[in-house]
Amino acid sequence: DAGVTQSPTHLIKTRGQQVTLRCSPKSGHDTVSWYQQALGQGPQFIFQYYEEEERQRGNFPDRFSGHQFPNYSSELNVNALLLGDSALYLCASSASGTASYEQYFGPGTRLTVT
Amino acid sequence: GESVGLHLPTLSVQEGDNSIINCAYSNSASDYFIWYKQESGKGPQFIIDIRSNMDKRQGQRVTVLLNKTVKHLSLQIAATQPGDSAVYFCAETPILKAAGNKLTFGGGTRVLVKP
Repeated sequence: DAGVTQSPTHLIKTRGQQVTLRCSPKSGHDTVSWYQQALGQGPQFIFQYYEEEERQRGNFPDRFSGHQFPNYSSELNVNALLLGDSALYLCASSASGTASYEQYFGPGTRLTVT
Repeated sequence: GESVGLHLPTLSVQEGDNSIINCAYSNSASDYFIWYKQESGKGPQFIIDIRSNMDKRQGQRVTVLLNKTVKHLSLQIAATQPGDSAVYFCAETPILKAAGNKLTFGGGTRVLVKP
């Protein structure tokens, strides 16, 4: 049973460009959350998708947007990239309708903006 | 692999000794607290959790203590092993409404186990 997978592993972009990161949740999970982790810091919540809709959002600008597909996979899009967007982007999945709130994290995508 | 935390507080511990990692939280509405372990190049891995109506919970070689009065959380690792070397984060989340509540992470502590 595959856990949470993310692609690509690493990505280098130039300021002003746009990027799309992808996440496949753990089998049986239907909720996907995205986090940004700057070097030396804890992950920061970006947003969460459930039933193909954004359910919660953290303190991130509209340049950050996402999507969830019918198979529960998800994309994170960032427009007009800034140097400060360089970070590890983590995807976490969980299962609704259960008593567990545990979120399973993927290995992340390392984004470098130059 | 990736370096998770270059400027994190570091706890150096001798192999076989016990480790204690501390975390302060700020949101009194938080209902669940979780400890995560993050190894270089990997995402955070769940270690143990505790609900706000408890003050202690034990797992395999790990114990989490919660002091709601001073909003303090600690993780104790017994007989620390080289494989315990990683960055440890505490996280909190409010009263569960549905699965997958947003997690708010603390700053993290790097644990280095000396042979």
